[in-house]
Amino acid sequence: DTEVTQTPKHLVMGMTNKKSLKCEQHMGHRAMYWYKQKAKKPPELMFVYSYEKLSINESVPSRFSPECPNSSLLNLHLHALQPEDSALYLCASSQAARFNEQFFGPGTRLTVL
Amino acid sequence: GDSVTQMEGPVTLSEEAFLTINCTYTATGYPSLFWYVQYPGEGLQLLLKATKADDKGSNKGFEATYRKETTSFHLEKGSVQVSDSAVYFCALSDHSQGAQKLVFGQGTRLTINP
Repeated sequence: DTEVTQTPKHLVMGMTNKKSLKCEQHMGHRAMYWYKQKAKKPPELMFVYSYEKLSINESVPSRFSPECPNSSLLNLHLHALQPEDSALYLCASSQAARFNEQFFGPGTRLTVL
Repeated sequence: GDSVTQMEGPVTLSEEAFLTINCTYTATGYPSLFWYVQYPGEGLQLLLKATKADDKGSNKGFEATYRKETTSFHLEKGSVQVSDSAVYFCALSDHSQGAQKLVFGQGTRLTINP
């Protein structure tokens, strides 16, 4: 299985809602990533988990809360988001070793009303 | 810090034309280099990679050579197809803070007309 899956594919939420994005991989990768991508822009790194521990937080607002329950799963909990948080949220994974490419999921298209 | 610069486009070509998308980078150390492709409404797919100087990555008719002397990793294809229409991102890997980070260029939107 060489696939990263993400659910849901689309999500619409109000500014007072709490929701979660889910990501799963079964490639035995030990590093997992969340990216945010706005239209016509490259992905921006948000968080990196290495061996289930948060290793990088790119100064992301606390209304985004990541969680890595085990080596195959990555969640992103959302609370009190703003309309400007509307974007495509991409999950990726890689082997933890240096120089290995990242495999991306199809993304969750998030709209905040 | 590390950075990637690529021609922003958009680039519009006719089917069977020759394609070049330029990419240059600035990095300390010896990063790996990648080209990713993003089709409309989808995530990023790895197109090809090179891990050291003079390596040539290739896939689906696309090629790119890691040129350390010119700090470049230009993407080429000899004969493009309509199905190649997508956004192409050049990226380098930066191993820091205990994990690998990808540094992306701004992306080049490619449209191929029949």
